Amino acid sequence: KQEVTQIPAALSVPEGENLVLNCSFTDSAIYNLQWFRQDPGKGLTSLLLIQSSQREQTSGRLNASLDKSSGRSTLYIAASQPGDSATYLCAAPDMEYGNKLVFGAGTILRVKS
Amino acid sequence: DAGVTQSPTHLIKTRGQQVTLRCSPKSGHDTVSWYQQALGQGPQFIFQYYEEEERQRGNFPDRFSGHQFPNYSSELNVNALLLGDSALYLCASRSQGYEQYFGPGTRLTVT
Repeated sequence: KQEVTQIPAALSVPEGENLVLNCSFTDSAIYNLQWFRQDPGKGLTSLLLIQSSQREQTSGRLNASLDKSSGRSTLYIAASQPGDSATYLCAAPDMEYGNKLVFGAGTILRVKS
Repeated sequence: DAGVTQSPTHLIKTRGQQVTLRCSPKSGHDTVSWYQQALGQGPQFIFQYYEEEERQRGNFPDRFSGHQFPNYSSELNVNALLLGDSALYLCASRSQGYEQYFGPGTRLTVT
């Protein structure tokens, strides 16, 4: 059974700081991992999808890495801005039921101006 | 190209009532999944529909049921509502690829 954990649960940083959000998963046989952003009371916005054949995926100031052997993924945000304040969720497929996504509880990010 | 849409946005119901939530998938997507997100938690998988059939189901009671129509849109029905059913209900769609796209959600409050 896939389990996903995210650390830290909350993070508060000054504007301009580079930061790293961590995600760990228990079943390393995954074929991909997805990072999402969620604003308060809103739906999920897909940020990055990393295939198992990739080690990194980049989109603008965001970079996500995937290390299947250690069961870890990181989301790196460069030069953080107040508009980056949101909850960040990672999700990995449950390999017993491949189409089911298992989510972590999320990291609540606050970027102070 | 419209993304995933859901209706209604917000809903208030009383314990014991029944509710129906609706989802239209992203254009070109044929698979719809439903998730429940309680406050402060990550989304939990309810079930998935493909070709108008329930293909996978999470750990939710039979009070939760669904349907998929020939145009790939979907409904989530919850009977005999409990206070604990209060949550954000999210719909996600995908095609043959694995990337899932989520809708804005329906906020259900049970009083």
